Amino acid sequence: DAKTTQPNSMESNEEEPVHLPCNHSTISGTDYIHWYRQLPSQGPEYVIHGLTSNVNNRMASLAIAEDRKSSTLILHRATLRDAAVYYCIPLNNTNAGKSTFGDGTTLTVKP
Amino acid sequence: EAQVTQNPRYLITVTGKKLTVTCSQNMNHEYMSWYRQDPGLGLRQIYYSMNVEVTDKGDVPEGYKVSRKEKRNFPLILESPSPNQTSLYFCASRMRGQRSSYNSPLHFGNGTRLTVT
Repeated sequence: DAKTTQPNSMESNEEEPVHLPCNHSTISGTDYIHWYRQLPSQGPEYVIHGLTSNVNNRMASLAIAEDRKSSTLILHRATLRDAAVYYCIPLNNTNAGKSTFGDGTTLTVKP
Repeated sequence: EAQVTQNPRYLITVTGKKLTVTCSQNMNHEYMSWYRQDPGLGLRQIYYSMNVEVTDKGDVPEGYKVSRKEKRNFPLILESPSPNQTSLYFCASRMRGQRSSYNSPLHFGNGTRLTVT
C-alpha cells in the first residue's frame, strides 16, 4: 500500500488561501489521489481526486506534482467551516480493497 | 438521497455481549468497508468487501466479523466485545469501475460510537 505523509497541523486566517501538502512517494501508476475532510463529530467527506492533471471543483483545487509523488490541496479562501482534519489517500480500482488513511492534517482557521 | 446509514449512532455494552452494527447503502455500490477511529491513530481499516459474498481483512481485523449477503448491507459483528474495542466506527462504500481509468470516491456514514465496559 502506498504510504502518505502529511503535516500534523496547519493554521490559516479566514479569507486567505490554504495549501495542504501530501507526500505519497510510493504511489502506484494506477492510484488516484483522493482527498477527504472530517468535520468535528462527522464522518469523512469527499473533497476531490485526480490522477495526473490538476483538478478543480466547487470545494477546492488539487495540484499534482509531475512525478506524482506529492500533491497539494488548495482551499482558495478559507472559511471557519473549513476547519477540519484533511486526509489524502491513494485509491485505485484494480486493487481497491485496502484503503489506509494516515493521521491527516488538522486545519485551524482563525477569524 | 444517496447515503450510507449506520445504526446505532451510540452503543454502550458490556464485555462479552455479542453485538452487531449495521451499515446500509442505497447507491448500489460494490465496495464497502469498515474503519475504526481512535485518538491519535487516524482511520484504520477493519474489513472490506469488494462485492457480495467477497470479504477480506483490513489492517485491524482481530475481534471482528463481517458478512456481505446482500449488496446494500455490510454488518460489523463483535462476537465477544472487549474494552479495547471502544472506538468510533465508520462504514463506507464506493462504486467499483469496470475500467481502471474510472475512479469513484468513498462515501462515509455518520459513525457509531461504541463503548465497551
